Amino acid sequence: NAGVTQTPKFQVLKTGQSMTLQCAQDMNHNSMYWYRQDPGMGLRLIYYSASEGTTDKGEVPDGYNVSRLKKQNFLLGLESAAPSQTSVYFCASSRSSGRKIYEQYFGPGTRLTVT
Amino acid sequence: ELKVEQNPLFLSMQEGKNYTIYCNYSTTSDRLYWYRQDPGKSLESLFVLLSNGAVKQEGRLMASLDTKARLSTLHITAAVHDLSATYFCAVAPGGATNKLIFGTGTLLAVQP
Repeated sequence: NAGVTQTPKFQVLKTGQSMTLQCAQDMNHNSMYWYRQDPGMGLRLIYYSASEGTTDKGEVPDGYNVSRLKKQNFLLGLESAAPSQTSVYFCASSRSSGRKIYEQYFGPGTRLTVT
Repeated sequence: ELKVEQNPLFLSMQEGKNYTIYCNYSTTSDRLYWYRQDPGKSLESLFVLLSNGAVKQEGRLMASLDTKARLSTLHITAAVHDLSATYFCAVAPGGATNKLIFGTGTLLAVQP
């Protein structure tokens, strides 16, 4: 049971390049999330997905897109990377059932630098 | 808009001492989570608090929730160096499906 995995662990991009961050979970969780973590700002939600095929914007969605084609995978895309997107990106997943609450499990993170 | 504030932002304490980290939030919510993050690592769930008056304890850490005051506390008893980490509280806005808003974190450094 690997939990939540993310690839790659590290990435350096040049301004204007595109890339996709990958997240997978093997816990059969309905909900998945993408966060970014910047110094002094805690974690901020970029996008989340309550179930396969559905996605919703979080606090800071601009410049990103997401895809949840399979229950176990949640992809985060950067169409045209900017230095302001330099950050550590965390994926998380959780069980959910209506409004019943379960804790979120986090992946190891991806350190992205945009030059 | 839900805001979550933690204080202090940085806490340096000696081993064996007690201290409390505070988490205030601005709108109604009955779900609060505490996480721990070691440097360069991911977040680890510590406590899930789901109702007013909830209290949970694990080792030297105890968390409580007062939904009327919109306040949660994380109390550290007889701190040890291994507790050095950043601690985050996270709150779910009312009506949202498990979407969390995180505080900025409290960096705890326990000195021998």
